[in-house]
Amino acid sequence: DQQVKQNSPSLSVQEGRISILNCDYTNSMFDYFLWYKKYPAEGPTFLISISSIKDKNEDGRFTVFLNKSAKHLSLHIVPSQPGDSAVYFCAAVSGAGSYQLTFGKGTKLSVIP
Amino acid sequence: GAGVSQSPRYKVAKRGQDVALRCDPISGHVSLFWYQQALGQGPEFLTYFQNEAQLDKSGLPSDRFFAERPEGSVSTLKIQRTQQEDSAVYLCASSPEPKGGDTQYFGPGTRLTVL
Repeated sequence: DQQVKQNSPSLSVQEGRISILNCDYTNSMFDYFLWYKKYPAEGPTFLISISSIKDKNEDGRFTVFLNKSAKHLSLHIVPSQPGDSAVYFCAAVSGAGSYQLTFGKGTKLSVIP
Repeated sequence: GAGVSQSPRYKVAKRGQDVALRCDPISGHVSLFWYQQALGQGPEFLTYFQNEAQLDKSGLPSDRFFAERPEGSVSTLKIQRTQQEDSAVYLCASSPEPKGGDTQYFGPGTRLTVL
C-alpha cells in the first residue's frame, strides 16, 4: 500500500504562473518531508524539506506547506519557469535520525513558455 | 566536484544471468544507499551502508540481491539469476552524514532491462 501518494501524474502550467504539486500520506509516524526534482536521465535532486513541527517552509520561488491534520503537503512554485519542467517526487521519513526515504510516484510538471 | 557516478548506465540481461551494478559515491561520504525505481513508480529503498558496514538490508526484495561496500567507498549491487521483474532503474545515493536524511545525493542510475 502506498504510504506516500501523488495522485496527479502530470501537471501543465503556463510560464510565470503558480505551480502547485500535491502529496498525501497515510503513515502518521512520518515527521519529515522532502521534495525532490528529477530531470530525465539524471538522479533525483533535493529541492526543499519541512519538519512536522512547521506548517510552511520557503526557499526562493519554492514553498512547501504541511497540513498535518489532513496528512497533506503541497509544493508551490512561483513564478514557474520552463527550467522547472521535471518530475517532482514527494518523500517522507519517520523518526529522528531515520534515513529510509519513502517516495511517492512523482508528478511530471511541464511549464509552457 | 564530482557527483555520484554509476556504471553501467544501461544494462540488458537475459533472464537467469547475473549482473553487477557499480556505484562510486562522492569522496568522503560515509553513507551509501541503493534504491530501486520501477517504471512509473517512485524510488524504493533497498539497502544502507555506513562506511563498509551494511546496517540495513530490509528493502532487498529477495536473496538474489546482494550489496557490498568492502572498503567503505565504491559499492556493488549484485543480482543473481535475474528475473523480468528485476527490470528497473537502480539508483545509488551517498551522504556525508551518518544516516543521510535530506543530504542524500543521487547518481543518475543504472537502467536494467531483463529480457
